[in-house]
Amino acid sequence: QVQLQESGPGLVKPSETLSLTCAVSGYSISSGYYWGWIRQPPGKGLEWIGSIYHSGSTYYNPSLKSRVTISVDTSKNQFSLKLSSVTAADTAVYYCARQSGSYYSDYWGQGTLVTVSS
Amino acid sequence: SYVLTQPPSVSVAPGQTARITCGGNNIGSKSVHWYQQKPGQAPVLVVYDDSDRPSGIPERFSGSNSGNTATLTISRVEAGDEADYYCQVWDSSSDHQVFGTGTKVTVL
Repeated sequence: QVQLQESGPGLVKPSETLSLTCAVSGYSISSGYYWGWIRQPPGKGLEWIGSIYHSGSTYYNPSLKSRVTISVDTSKNQFSLKLSSVTAADTAVYYCARQSGSYYSDYWGQGTLVTVSS
Repeated sequence: SYVLTQPPSVSVAPGQTARITCGGNNIGSKSVHWYQQKPGQAPVLVVYDDSDRPSGIPERFSGSNSGNTATLTISRVEAGDEADYYCQVWDSSSDHQVFGTGTKVTVL
């Protein structure tokens, strides 16, 4: 069974960089698929942040592209998100997910709440 | 950028049929995926590639896609179907994923 687990600080100060990691078990990232990050501000809808292929090629949401970096570490079977210069608007539950070639997310992490506040 | 529009809410009585629409420019040319999200939980994929169901998803969930509208249909609605539902596509013109605005389904 494929499982994903997000980890990282739950509180980040404004202007700093948000960093999260998604550990994958039950499937080897190097075997294929895209791996993505999606977020959901409190009480609002889903927003795709970006995705990375196991080879390292990336796609980012144009509205966040200047601040986002997604990387993969196949040796640890995990992938990571960095979002720079955060503001209160970046407060959200952040999910990681496995994504097919059609870009649907079939396995999701449980999500982690990141609050941006001083 | 590509926009997907869903009705904010749909209400349905138990045993009846709920239809949730997802509108987008020529969405019929894209693959549409649907997620169910219950409060405090991660989304769950219920339909992918317009009309396919992942294993474990009841046959009561079905999808269609044509023209400018995709539809998720929930037949014989149960209390446990009460949730938010989101459509999603890949916009190849800008290489990014787009989620719909979301629809809250209320079972009366």
